[in-house]
Amino acid sequence: GEKVEQHESTLSVREGDSAVINCTYTDTASSYFPWYKQEAGKSLHFVIDIRSNVDRKQSQRLTVLLDKKAKRFSLHITATQPEDSAIYFCAGASGGNYKPTFGKGTSLVVHP
Amino acid sequence: DPKIIQKPKYLVAVTGSEKILICEQYLGHNAMYWYRQSAKKPLEFMFSYSYQKLMDNQTASSRFQPQSSKKNHLDLQITALKPDDSATYFCASSQDDWGREQYFGPGTRLTVL
Repeated sequence: GEKVEQHESTLSVREGDSAVINCTYTDTASSYFPWYKQEAGKSLHFVIDIRSNVDRKQSQRLTVLLDKKAKRFSLHITATQPEDSAIYFCAGASGGNYKPTFGKGTSLVVHP
Repeated sequence: DPKIIQKPKYLVAVTGSEKILICEQYLGHNAMYWYRQSAKKPLEFMFSYSYQKLMDNQTASSRFQPQSSKKNHLDLQITALKPDDSATYFCASSQDDWGREQYFGPGTRLTVL
C-alpha cells in the first residue's frame, strides 16, 4: 500500500521567514494530496490540497508543489506568523475511493 | 455553533467492554469518515461512508463497526476494547466522497484501562 513520509519531524523558523515541509510517497497511483494543520490540543483543519493534474497550487501565503516524477510534494509557507505554529500532516490518496495515507506530521514552530 | 459534534469528549472504558462514539455533522455533507490518532500512529484513516453506504474500510479488526442511522450521523461502535484502542477518534465529513476539504470534529479521547 501507499506510504507517505514526512521528512522533517520538527521545523523552527523566525517570524517572517519561509517554511518548507517536504513529503514523499510511494504509490504512483496517488493523485490527491491534502495538507492538514493541527494546533496543540485541537482537531485537524484542512489547509490546502493539490491534485496530480497540476504541479503547483497557491492559496494566499501557502503554496503546494508536486513533482510526480520524484513522487514528492511540499508545502511552502511564506511570511510565517506565530499562529502558523502547529503540526502539519501531509497525505496521499489514489483515485477512486478516498483512502488517505498520512505522514507522521511536522511540528512547525514560528518564533516571534 | 459547532458544525460537527462528537460525543463524548472523553471516555474511559475497561478492557473487554463495548462503547459507541457519536458523530453528527450539520454541514449538509454527503460523505463522512472516521480517523484515529495515537502516539503509535499519528493519523490513521479508518472508514469512509458516502450517502450512508460504506465506501472503504481500512480497519483490520471487525471490533470496529460504523453505524449510520441518518445521512448526517456516523457512529463508531467498538467491542471487546483493548488498551491498544486508546486513542483520539476523529470524525470528519466532506461534500462528496472524494474527500476534498474535509472538516474534522473535535474528537473523542478514548482511554482503555
